[in-house]
Amino acid sequence: LAKTTQPISMDSYEGQEVNITCSHNNIATNDYITWYQQFPSQGPRFIIQGYKTKVTNEVASLFIPADRKSSTLSLPRVSLSDTAVYYCLVPVYNQGGKLIFGQGTELSVKP
Amino acid sequence: EAGVAQSPRYKIIEKRQSVAFWCNPISGHATLYWYQQILGQGPKLLIQFQNNGVVDDSQLPKDRFSAERLKGVDSTLKIQPAKLEDSAVYLCASSLDLQVSYGYTFGSGTRLTVV
Repeated sequence: LAKTTQPISMDSYEGQEVNITCSHNNIATNDYITWYQQFPSQGPRFIIQGYKTKVTNEVASLFIPADRKSSTLSLPRVSLSDTAVYYCLVPVYNQGGKLIFGQGTELSVKP
Repeated sequence: EAGVAQSPRYKIIEKRQSVAFWCNPISGHATLYWYQQILGQGPKLLIQFQNNGVVDDSQLPKDRFSAERLKGVDSTLKIQPAKLEDSAVYLCASSLDLQVSYGYTFGSGTRLTVV
């Protein structure tokens, strides 16, 4: 089973900031939090990973509070091309590390 | 760098037929994964290889599915015989090693339709 919980869907408009929150109450001390993005007819694509506080790259920011039981993916000024499914993942260590995907959050950006 | 290559891109077969999918991971990536993604769901891990050995195949329906990675590079996933519920996208991914912090790179997948 996936170790995370996130909203099934979100709607936004072009130019807005979108924040997707994920809960991972049972995260272990050494676990990283990873986010992937999936467009239709493509495989998931790694977008950002973090351990604590804040991480920023050219695509998104990831905010992780001190207790690390949740995280928030922030997409600044979204465009129509950001319409995708976003997955929040914490690795599962059972016979080797692996990523177990949940249903993800389907983000729909409207004009 | 080149991405994860998968073929074919699409496949339509009748139930009870057999089908095979091929994956070429990123050069140097020791770990290879096969996922099944049914429409509207997240990818489901079927099997995980480290070089040419199976690490985890607990979610692979072994009565009909098989996979191999004989030389620790390319991999094939086979379904024999196929059922209607096998209709899905089959995704291959690779990573440098078992440490997931390296991140996975996915291929574009093979879309299988069983009629």
